[in-house]
Order: sequence, then structure tokens, then C-alpha cells
Amino acid sequence: QAGLTQPPSVSKDLRQTATLTCTGNTNNVGFRGVAWLQQHQGHPPKLLSYRDNNRPSGVNRPSGVSERFSASRSGNTASLTITGLQPEDEADYYCLAWDTSHSAWVFGGGTKLNVL
Amino acid sequence: EVHLVESGGGLVQPGRSLRLSCAASGFSFANHAMHWVRQAPGKGLEWVSGLSWNSGSIGYADSVKGRFTVSRDNAKNSLYLQMNSLRPEDTALYYCARDDAFDIWGQGTVVTVSS
Repeated sequence: QAGLTQPPSVSKDLRQTATLTCTGNTNNVGFRGVAWLQQHQGHPPKLLSYRDNNRPSGVNRPSGVSERFSASRSGNTASLTITGLQPEDEADYYCLAWDTSHSAWVFGGGTKLNVL
Repeated sequence: EVHLVESGGGLVQPGRSLRLSCAASGFSFANHAMHWVRQAPGKGLEWVSGLSWNSGSIGYADSVKGRFTVSRDNAKNSLYLQMNSLRPEDTALYYCARDDAFDIWGQGTVVTVSS
């Protein structure tokens, strides 16, 4: 099944801004966007941002997720921007979309964010 | 508090079967779609299977189609994954996740397929 493309790793300095990307096509990212999940080593994934049509009351972030995390999309590329990087932001980040051509959910390969 | 707890993992020989369970609590299980997602050691996340609130819509990844069967019992607040004809490449940590928003995840249960 088709997957989504994410850079394997991104390194940024403490307190800087990181932008992680997720590229797909019109059947997945371009259809209804992506959800973003964060996974720390040894822990289950945590939802950071809803897909386009899963937002309750127009809010993109689940309750409890820092405002430093924001998601956007332009065409078939989705982005997760993390401002004011903190040590605890060092984790793996995954995008997730519904693929209409395969009738299946697809994950990106994940990006390991290193906070220097 | 909302919780998902997976169980049923273990060590199994290739070609054998295993049934995973996911017990839900703290929310109206019957109102939500549910999914199984797995993660092989050192690898990324892979969606395995999902079903709608009433089991009317069910989907599988190509890698497990014909071998795995997902089901749910809303009266027992439980999700299941019957895994047959297991292969070494099915070795992974298996998570259940709530809803098409994937907003709640369990801690996972480990499945190891090896002779």
C-alpha cells in the first residue's frame, strides 16, 4: 500500500522552530489532510493534531496538547511546526492519512526529531 | 479516565494462531470506530485493521488480508484481532486505537512469531 513520505530525521537547536513535512498525493494527504502523532521511545503514540474533518468545534489540537504544535497543509504536503523547541520534544513524529485509492489508513515512515 | 488495554500477545510458531483483545473503559465504546496498529521492533507504525462502531465497515492492510480478522463486542466493550497463519514478519507490538481520529491508544501487546 502507498505510504506517506517523511524525512527520516530533523535536528534543531533548543528554543528554535522545527517544521516537519509529510508528502502524499490527492488520494491521501490531499483528500482530507493528516493527523500528526508523537511517540517517545518506549511509549505509545500520542495524537498531536486531528485530520481536517476530525476537529471538534474547529479545534485542531486535542485537549492538553501545547500550542507550540501547529499543523497545516498545502495541497499534497502537510506540515507540523513546533516552536520554542524543548528537550521533551525529542521524539518520533508520524503523519497518518486515509487513502481513498487503497481504502486503507497509511502512515508516514516517521521523522526522528533531535533537539540539540 | 479513558483507557485501552491490550492483551493476548506472546511467542508463537510460524503458521500458528493468536487472538488479541483490547478492553476499553471510560468512554462509550459502542459509539466509536476502533483500529489495530502495529510496530515492528525498531520500525515505524503500520495500520493493520479497523472497523466501524457497528462492524458494518471493516478494513485490512494488504499485508494481513485473508489471515487476520477483526471483530468487536460492544456489550463487553472489547475489540479483538484473530491472527491466523502467522509469519515472522508479523512480529511487532500491537496497539489498539480509538476512532478514526486515533485519539486514544493502549500500551500495546507484544507478538513474537518465531520457531
